[in-house]
Amino acid sequence: DTEVTQTPKHLVMGMTNKKSLKCEQHMGHRAMYWYKQKAKKPPELMFVYSYEKLSINESVPSRFSPECPNSSLLNLHLHALQPEDSALYLCASSPTPGSGYTFGSGTRLTVV
Amino acid sequence: KNQVEQSPQSLIILEGKNCTLQCNYTVSPFSNLRWYKQDTGRGPVSLTIMTFSENTKSNGRYTATLDADTKQSSLHITASQLSDSASYICVVSLGSQGNLIFGKGTKLSVKP
Repeated sequence: DTEVTQTPKHLVMGMTNKKSLKCEQHMGHRAMYWYKQKAKKPPELMFVYSYEKLSINESVPSRFSPECPNSSLLNLHLHALQPEDSALYLCASSPTPGSGYTFGSGTRLTVV
Repeated sequence: KNQVEQSPQSLIILEGKNCTLQCNYTVSPFSNLRWYKQDTGRGPVSLTIMTFSENTKSNGRYTATLDADTKQSSLHITASQLSDSASYICVVSLGSQGNLIFGKGTKLSVKP
């Protein structure tokens, strides 16, 4: 298995909803990442998990809450989002921090 | 300031033709340079990755070059196909931690 799998592919949520994005990889990668990408812009780093521990938080608002239950899974919990949070959320993984990134297909999030 | 500049911003070519995309970077310390293909609304897919000592790397119809002295890279696509229509993103990895510096991408449209 050489893929990073993200679910759901599309998500529409209200500003009062609580939802979660999921990311899974079975390549034995020990670093996992969340990126946010707005239309026609490059991806922006949100969080980095290294060996299941949060190592980088790029000043992301607390309405985004990451979780790494184990070395294969990465979640992004969403609560009280704003319409401007609508974007493509990308998960990526690498064998070690900084090496050989593999991106998932993304979750297209729309906040209404 | 660590930056990755890509040109052109957009490009339209006829099916079967060749094209070359450019990437200039000012990133230090440099670790590696990657080219990704990203379809609209999907995650980036890696095409090539090159370290400081590599001058050229091919992946099918894609050939990337790297000149570490001038800090320039190019991606050459031969015999373009309609499925090559996508954004092509140049990404430079920064130092030992591997933080990624993304270019804004070149949007390629291949017309029949």
